[in-house]
Amino acid sequence: DQQVKQNSPSLSVQEGRISILNCDYTNSMFDYFLWYKKYPAEGPTFLISISSIKDKNEDGRFTVFLNKSAKHLSLHIVPSQPGDSAVYFCAANRYSGAGSYQLTFGKGTKLSVIP
Amino acid sequence: DTEVTQTPKHLVMGMTNKKSLKCEQHMGHRAMYWYKQKAKKPPELMFVYSYEKLSINESVPSRFSPECPNSSLLNLHLHALQPEDSALYLCASSQDSPPLKAQYFGPGTRLTVT
Repeated sequence: DQQVKQNSPSLSVQEGRISILNCDYTNSMFDYFLWYKKYPAEGPTFLISISSIKDKNEDGRFTVFLNKSAKHLSLHIVPSQPGDSAVYFCAANRYSGAGSYQLTFGKGTKLSVIP
Repeated sequence: DTEVTQTPKHLVMGMTNKKSLKCEQHMGHRAMYWYKQKAKKPPELMFVYSYEKLSINESVPSRFSPECPNSSLLNLHLHALQPEDSALYLCASSQDSPPLKAQYFGPGTRLTVT
């Protein structure tokens, strides 16, 4: 059972335009959502996160929106740059007690920004 | 400083070898994690250590043996691996109390089992 879904395996966007990456989840116990960016053969790099009690978080060119009733979140990148080309993973967090967390990842969306 | 380091970067081992992967962080995080990632797949959680104690083992085969010698170090001991264990092994760490900010990942060890 896939609890975090990224239904678009790939997305192509022109440089300077907006990139919108989507993510859906099913588990109401998730309390925090994160976006990671990953280049091949490297570890994921944390981008931005949002608490389940908020509906928007912004950091520079990156904004994450959360619609809790729809169990949907999205990452907006404006303006998109060629260096943004990577695989983007949506991840949902559940506190598992004793100071540790469990992250559940979506399958990722490969973003290509065309110059 | 949000750096997690992992050694070695690449490892090739035979099915009868014993090897270890190492992970280190100096962010004062008390939770550390091992993940396995196959090509074109998301990272899969293997183990979680909290305050140097194993808190989660996601039904990982015993040929993978984690160890947390202290709050900054995490090892993964490998023995009698199979070719299907070839993958990118990622270490991560996080702060030990809510609210969560993020799990910070290392660059990974690319493991090939021959």
